Amino acid sequence: SQQGEEDPQALSIQEGENATMNCSYKTSINNLQWYRQNSGRGLVHLILIRSNEREKHSGRLRVTLDTSKKSSSLLITASRAADTASYFCATAETSGSRLTFGEGTQLTVNP
Amino acid sequence: KAGVTQTPRYLIKTRGQQVTLSCSPISGHRSVSWYQQTPGQGLQFLFEYFSETQRNKGNFPGRFSGRQFSNSRSEMNVSTLELGDSALYLCASSFLGGGQDTQYFGPGTRLTVL
Repeated sequence: SQQGEEDPQALSIQEGENATMNCSYKTSINNLQWYRQNSGRGLVHLILIRSNEREKHSGRLRVTLDTSKKSSSLLITASRAADTASYFCATAETSGSRLTFGEGTQLTVNP
Repeated sequence: KAGVTQTPRYLIKTRGQQVTLSCSPISGHRSVSWYQQTPGQGLQFLFEYFSETQRNKGNFPGRFSGRQFSNSRSEMNVSTLELGDSALYLCASSFLGGGQDTQYFGPGTRLTVL
């Protein structure tokens, strides 16, 4: 079963708006990572946030992590049509040795 | 620095056949992980190799196997193909492996089983 669960499953917004995606997980983690996938292609790494970090920024991306609630959010500000893609969170458990991916959020940014 | 490469990009096979997929990691990366992606099951972990040793394995039948060579290149083999094996197979490389650092993904191999 998937460790992470993304919410919402699909999101459609207009260019210039902000997009927020959420990820919940079940076990203790070492880190949480966000990836983007354009239709049928390989995944592109966006941000890695470690369990002792609460927030990270990268360009228009902002990721938060709340280990007490076992949840993370990815915020994309001032979205562009090129941001249209599937976004996945992936967790690395403290006891495991692999990344476990959620089911993803399909983001559509309309021009 | 060259990225992760996967060959072939597309493959069509028939049930019962076997297939070998190849992955060349980023130079200096010793960890290669393989994933299967399908619309129904999402991204599922197959196995990870680190310095020629399988370090972790997902919940897949023994028909799925892999290996890693001394130059860190990895191959994945699927024997006795079934229709349900149709999927996008992704490999990813990293320095530390085990999900402890960023994984860099290749473009994937799209396998269709007829």
